[in-house]
Amino acid sequence: AQTVTQSQPEMSVQEAETVTLSCTYDTSESNYYLFWYKQPPSRQMILVIRQEAYKQQNATENRFSVNFQKAAKSFSLKISDSQLGDTAMYFCAFIPPFGNEKLTFGTGTRLTIIP
Amino acid sequence: DTAVSQTPKYLVTQMGNDKSIKCEQNLGHDTMYWYKQDSKKFLKIMFSYNNKELIINETVPNRFSPKSPDKAHLNLHINSLELGDSAVYFCASSFGLGAYEQYFGPGTRLTVT
Repeated sequence: AQTVTQSQPEMSVQEAETVTLSCTYDTSESNYYLFWYKQPPSRQMILVIRQEAYKQQNATENRFSVNFQKAAKSFSLKISDSQLGDTAMYFCAFIPPFGNEKLTFGTGTRLTIIP
Repeated sequence: DTAVSQTPKYLVTQMGNDKSIKCEQNLGHDTMYWYKQDSKKFLKIMFSYNNKELIINETVPNRFSPKSPDKAHLNLHINSLELGDSAVYFCASSFGLGAYEQYFGPGTRLTVT
């Protein structure tokens, strides 16, 4: 069974600074997909970024980028120039590529951006 | 314009009652899911349906019964509600099974008193 670990329950950073959220996972699969989801106080789950394990290039979406280290089974999220709207719970998630597999979430990191 | 909608958004009920949560998606997806988020924010899948067929059925009490009348709808019926059922329930949908992006609804906060 796959597991996803987020070791930072809470983090805070000043507005405009850069912050990195960590995620590690455990799997015996060679191909899989990783996601970061954001859940602001509104409760809505929003996909931030997606990474395919067979792609060596790290995914980037505007101010959000990942550092994907396949050998270390690490998938950290970097938020640059943080904004107040980035305040949210962030969840790392993992899924193998097979049809009947489930998306497994980490326990989340609560990120607070301080004005 | 809502992609995945759920009704109701809030549900307060007493122990022993039966309640339903409805989910609809207008994205043309063929796969839908129910997730439960507990008080510690932990998200766990309960069920998934693909083309109205049950694919994933996690170890959920049989008091929970999903129903998918068509590909755009997935409802969750809960019998004999218990205090431990209090949580936020999320519906999600995707194009197909596996590693496709899942789009989430706004969630339904269920409180059992």
